Amino acid sequence: GAVVSQHPSRVICKSGTSVKIECRSLDFQATTMFWYRQFPKQSLMLMATSNEGSKATYEQGVEKDKFLINHASLTLSTLTVTSAHPEDSSFYICSASSEGDTQYFGPGTRLTVL
Amino acid sequence: KQEVTQIPAALSVPEGENLVLNCSFTDSAIYNLQWFRQDPGKGLTSLLLIQSSQREQTSGRLNASLDKSSGRSTLYIAASQPGDSATYLCAVRPNSGYALNFGKGTSLLVTP
Repeated sequence: GAVVSQHPSRVICKSGTSVKIECRSLDFQATTMFWYRQFPKQSLMLMATSNEGSKATYEQGVEKDKFLINHASLTLSTLTVTSAHPEDSSFYICSASSEGDTQYFGPGTRLTVL
Repeated sequence: KQEVTQIPAALSVPEGENLVLNCSFTDSAIYNLQWFRQDPGKGLTSLLLIQSSQREQTSGRLNASLDKSSGRSTLYIAASQPGDSATYLCAVRPNSGYALNFGKGTSLLVTP
């Protein structure tokens, strides 16, 4: 089956630093990748949708200058949290799909900002 | 705006019981509905996907039904086992776009 990986699985950083999270589709070409955020006891909330080679589309309330998304190839998308603050601490999950087909989810990245 | 609600928020049952998890959504214009399992601190595992034209899907001890007109889906788990303990998420994909709208999930605990 389709496999999506994320790296790192867990990251702890100091307030004010930037953190990059990678999302890779290992055995298929992902024309579209999605980034979700999940706070404790809450649902997954879509942050942005990215299509390979295009600028990401951000959901309302998500700061595009703070959460930089790059989808430069059909197998890799990155999410960079710039100048991270404690309120950005969350579980970030990506998903990938090919030609609008089923979304396959990565294992998630736990971000803790001190 | 699509809203997805899952009831109950938490459920504890003894091993061997059959159980039903509920999901409701406000906008019936959906492309499909999917049930996921999430273990603590982990990503999502897809369990069942029901297309809008379908009424139900089955996989092993799991059966999911969909009533699009009333905006409801149920996930039935037969003969529950401690290994079924996890959070179960319901997500709907709208007719327009690919992004999924998730419910908050039902946290299931199956006790030996």
